[in-house]
Amino acid sequence: DGGITQSPKYLFRKEGQNVTLSCEQNLNHDAMYWYRQDPGQGLRLIYYSQIVNDFQKGDIAEGYSVSREKKESFPLTVTSAQKNPTAFYLCASSPGQGVVYGYTFGSGTRLTVV
Amino acid sequence: GDSVTQMEGPVTLSEEAFLTINCTYTATGYPSLFWYVQYPGEGLQLLLKATKADDKGSNKGFEATYRKETTSFHLEKGSVQVSDSAVYFCALSFSPSNYQLIWGAGTKLIIKP
Repeated sequence: DGGITQSPKYLFRKEGQNVTLSCEQNLNHDAMYWYRQDPGQGLRLIYYSQIVNDFQKGDIAEGYSVSREKKESFPLTVTSAQKNPTAFYLCASSPGQGVVYGYTFGSGTRLTVV
Repeated sequence: GDSVTQMEGPVTLSEEAFLTINCTYTATGYPSLFWYVQYPGEGLQLLLKATKADDKGSNKGFEATYRKETTSFHLEKGSVQVSDSAVYFCALSFSPSNYQLIWGAGTKLIIKP
């Protein structure tokens, strides 16, 4: 079945360390997205990518970095510059025709700084 | 700018009650409208959508009608179940060629047996 796989489901990081969250899709979607969700809060866009080798900053890109070397993959690195990284991270994708068809989401990665 | 406003939660109902979660939007042009559901600890799932005025999206007993005159897309269900407890997000896309969704803040729904 087609879908989005995020790994790991739970991730623990020490302060000062970088950590990379994986997102892989087999839907042949052109666009991919990373969102951050804090407890009881809505979704905030971190980065998005419409095509391979291109990506744009979202509303809260500071302290994060991404790459899009393959259509299927859009990893997110949470750097030590992110001051409050503990959150639930969601990856999503959409077809190349825009978002008329909506997004497909992964099951999320919960990152905790210890 | 374009925005989505949802009613604040939590909304607490008894099983078999009628549900309405309000969603209004501000947008230029003719956006597509969506409702997503998020169960505890999971990602979001598309619940239903409508792409033009007067369209009605429906799924799993939930319905929402795209009302251009009132710029609304309220989510309704005639008889809720405990399993409907989740957070519901309203969203819009403000251009067919634009890749971003504009999200509401989410409404937490709690159904008591």
